[in-house]
Amino acid sequence: GENVEQHPSTLSVQEGDSAVIKCTYSDSASNYFPWYKQELGKRPQLIIDIRSNVGEKKDQRIAVTLNKTAKHFSLHITETQPEDSAVYFCAASMTGANNLFFGTGTRLTVIP
Amino acid sequence: DSGVTQTPKHLITATGQRVTLRCSPRSGDLSVYWYQQSLDQGLQFLIQYYNGEERAKGNILERFSAQQFPDLHSELNLSSLELGDSALYFCASDDRAYGYTFGSGTRLTVV
Repeated sequence: GENVEQHPSTLSVQEGDSAVIKCTYSDSASNYFPWYKQELGKRPQLIIDIRSNVGEKKDQRIAVTLNKTAKHFSLHITETQPEDSAVYFCAASMTGANNLFFGTGTRLTVIP
Repeated sequence: DSGVTQTPKHLITATGQRVTLRCSPRSGDLSVYWYQQSLDQGLQFLIQYYNGEERAKGNILERFSAQQFPDLHSELNLSSLELGDSALYFCASDDRAYGYTFGSGTRLTVV
C-alpha cells in the first residue's frame, strides 16, 4: 500500500515568518493530496488539497506544491500567525479508492 | 458542525470490557472511514465501509469489528479492551468534491 512520510515532526517559527512542511509518497498511482490541520483535542480539518493534474495551488496564506516525478508535495504557510499553531497532516490517495494514507504529522508552533 | 456525527464524545471503561462507537456520515455520503489516534500519534486507518459493505481494511485488530447499516450509519465495536486501546477514534465520510470530513471523535479511556 501507500506509504507517506512527513517532515519535520516539529517546527517552531516566529510570527510573520514562513513555514514549510514536506511529504513524500511511494505509490505513483496516488493522485489526490490533501492537507489537514488539527487543533488540540479537535477533529482534523481539510485546509487545502491538490490533484495530480496541477503543480501548485494557493489559498490566501496557504499554498501546496506537488512534484509528481519526485513523488513529493509540500505545504507552505506565509505570514504565520499564532492561530496557525496546530498539528498538520499530509495525506495521499488514489481517486476512486478514496482511502487516505496519512503522514505522521507536524506540530507547528508560531511564537508571538 | 461538520455534518459527520459521532457518539458518544467521551467513554471511560474498564479493561476487558466491550464498547460500541457510533458514526453517522454526512447526508448523501456513502462511505464511512474509521481512524484511531493515540496520544500524540498520527491517524491510523482502521476500516472503510461503502454503502453497507466493507471496502478496505487497515491496521484493525481482531478484537475490533465494524459494520455499516442500511441507513448508512456505522458502528465500531471494540472488545476485550486493553489500556493501549485508549485513544481518540474518528470517523470520516467523503465527498469527491470536498474530500474527507471528520467527525468530532470519541475519546476512549480504558482504566
